[in-house]
Amino acid sequence: QVQLQESGPGLVKPSETLSLTCTVSGGSIRSYYWSWIRQPPGKGLEWIGYIYYTGSTDYNPSLKSRVTISIDTSKNQFSLKLSSVTAADTAVYYCASGTYWGSDDFWGQGTLVTVSP
Amino acid sequence: DIQMTQSPSSLSASVGDRVTITCRASQGIRNDLGWYQQKPGKAPKRLLYAASSLQSGVPSRFSGSGSGTEFTLTISSLQPEDFATYYCLQHNSYPRTFGQGTKVEIK
Repeated sequence: QVQLQESGPGLVKPSETLSLTCTVSGGSIRSYYWSWIRQPPGKGLEWIGYIYYTGSTDYNPSLKSRVTISIDTSKNQFSLKLSSVTAADTAVYYCASGTYWGSDDFWGQGTLVTVSP
Repeated sequence: DIQMTQSPSSLSASVGDRVTITCRASQGIRNDLGWYQQKPGKAPKRLLYAASSLQSGVPSRFSGSGSGTEFTLTISSLQPEDFATYYCLQHNSYPRTFGQGTKVEIK
């Protein structure tokens, strides 16, 4: 069974860059699309973007100028970078599979990132 | 962007009740829709994909219907473990968009 695990700092200063990595285990990273999703405290879910093993990406226009998603197939990992963060970027960040039309669906446990001085 | 409007935003129901949640898309999305359940402090869990296909391991009391712009999630007989927040997600076009969520609470 595929498992996902997010890792990265839980605290980021305003104006700096948030960086998270998702490690995929139990399966090949080439088998699915991969996405990042976030959830501010007490609020709903927001889709950030996706990546495929070919490097193909798409981002939410609301974040596009600040987001980069990359993939390292040799490490079975994909990553999120969000630049120029503010308090509004404080959220639980989830990595998940993004092949929504298929029967498989995998999520990481989520990691809380707080933006604070 | 395709807007997903979920209703109601919250509801109170009793164990054994039949519950219906609706998601309306701002434009047609065929059946490119999934339904998710989220419990406090946990990652979302997909219940249905392709609008009406039950995810493996999900109880049959959950069902989905709809195509185009109107979609429905139905819980035929609410169980104690079903009290949670439910979201729809469209994957017909980018950016993928979620409904705002429906919180199902105990009456």
